[in-house]
Amino acid sequence: DGGITQSPKYLFRKEGQNVTLSCEQNLNHDAMYWYRQDPGQGLRLIYYSQIVNDFQKGDIAEGYSVSREKKESFPLTVTSAQKNPTAFYLCASSISSTTPNYGYTFGSGTRLTVV
Amino acid sequence: EDKVVQSPLSLVVHEGDTVTLNCSYEVTNFRSLLWYKQEKKAPTFLFMLTSSGIEKKSGRLSSILDKKELFSILNITATQTGDSAVYLCAVTLGGNTGKLIFGQGTTLQVKP
Repeated sequence: DGGITQSPKYLFRKEGQNVTLSCEQNLNHDAMYWYRQDPGQGLRLIYYSQIVNDFQKGDIAEGYSVSREKKESFPLTVTSAQKNPTAFYLCASSISSTTPNYGYTFGSGTRLTVV
Repeated sequence: EDKVVQSPLSLVVHEGDTVTLNCSYEVTNFRSLLWYKQEKKAPTFLFMLTSSGIEKKSGRLSSILDKKELFSILNITATQTGDSAVYLCAVTLGGNTGKLIFGQGTTLQVKP
């Protein structure tokens, strides 16, 4: 079945550590997105990528980095520069960034907790 | 600044009640409005609205868009405990970014 797989589901990080969240899709979608979800704040865009080897900052990119070396994969690294990383992270994809009319397909999310 | 505002933020009802969730938006380049249901993890797609006044229906759920007044409502009739979830409203912007602007979400709890 086609879909988006995020791993791990739960992740604990010590302060000062970098961690990488995985996002893989087999939908042959061109565009991929990373969102952060905090209680009462909805989803906020971190980074997005419209094609392989290209990505753009979203609204809250500080303290995060991404890569898009393959069409299927869009990993997100939460760096030690991110001051408040505890949140629920959602990865999404769409057929293309110019035709997102049917919205996204979402992964199941990764819950990151800083301990 | 583009923004989407949902109300109420939370709602508690009993099975059988009808609920109306609201979504208003202010964006520079509107393309479509989307409703999602999020139970635990991944949001699942409910409706996409692009034209004013055309109701979309799926079972007990329905939604309509008013592009003049810049809002949408999501109605759920005869609510069931399985309707308990966070309901997200999002607006797709025009252009080629594919970005969605999300509202804060409405948390609905349906009690037996």
